[in-house]
Amino acid sequence: GAVVSQHPSRVICKSGTSVKIECRSLDFQATTMFWYRQFPKQSLMLMATSNEGSKATYEQGVEKDKFLINHASLTLSTLTVTSAHPEDSSFYICSAMSGGNQPQHFGDGTRLSIL
Amino acid sequence: QKEVEQNSGPLSVPEGAIASLNCTYSDRGSQSFFWYRQYSGKSPELIMFIYSNGDKEDGRFTAQLNKASQYVSLLIRDSQPSDSATYLCAVMRRDDKIIFGKGTRLHILP
Repeated sequence: GAVVSQHPSRVICKSGTSVKIECRSLDFQATTMFWYRQFPKQSLMLMATSNEGSKATYEQGVEKDKFLINHASLTLSTLTVTSAHPEDSSFYICSAMSGGNQPQHFGDGTRLSIL
Repeated sequence: QKEVEQNSGPLSVPEGAIASLNCTYSDRGSQSFFWYRQYSGKSPELIMFIYSNGDKEDGRFTAQLNKASQYVSLLIRDSQPSDSATYLCAVMRRDDKIIFGKGTRLHILP
């Protein structure tokens, strides 16, 4: 149980393109979903927390107009990187939790490469 | 003081030995504690979680929690080369926010 699906697994695109990443909880309802970014050999960096039906809470230093998060249902959250630039190239990982003291379960991540 | 602290390593352990990974946290009101394993280039996967003081065993893994000392550890018995990875400690604070440590790189020597 507790499977989180993230799609796509890899994106390579030109600078200026907007990229949408989907995160789905397959066998549980996710009251909260999280989006992380991880650069090579660096630790996880929390970008934002989203609850179904409400606006995402962004961490300090994360541009909410650049990283658009939509948590439309209890099983789906999307992250859109708008007008992506090479410095946005990174490994983006989502996670979901069903609430309370439950652990976060991670998707397989999306490797984004902006040329 | 960082909220969740781990030694970055690398921690080198001979194959077959016990690997001991440690984590301290600053929020005394924290209630839930998690260990994740992350292979290079992959996303983290949940290994264990623990809520109560004491030990919790699952196969070769044992999580230990001491809330008075604000200390949580993960023991890996009979270490295998496939255990080589970065281990992330995560702590849920009293406000339900989960804070991750920076991880300890574990290297099992064949």
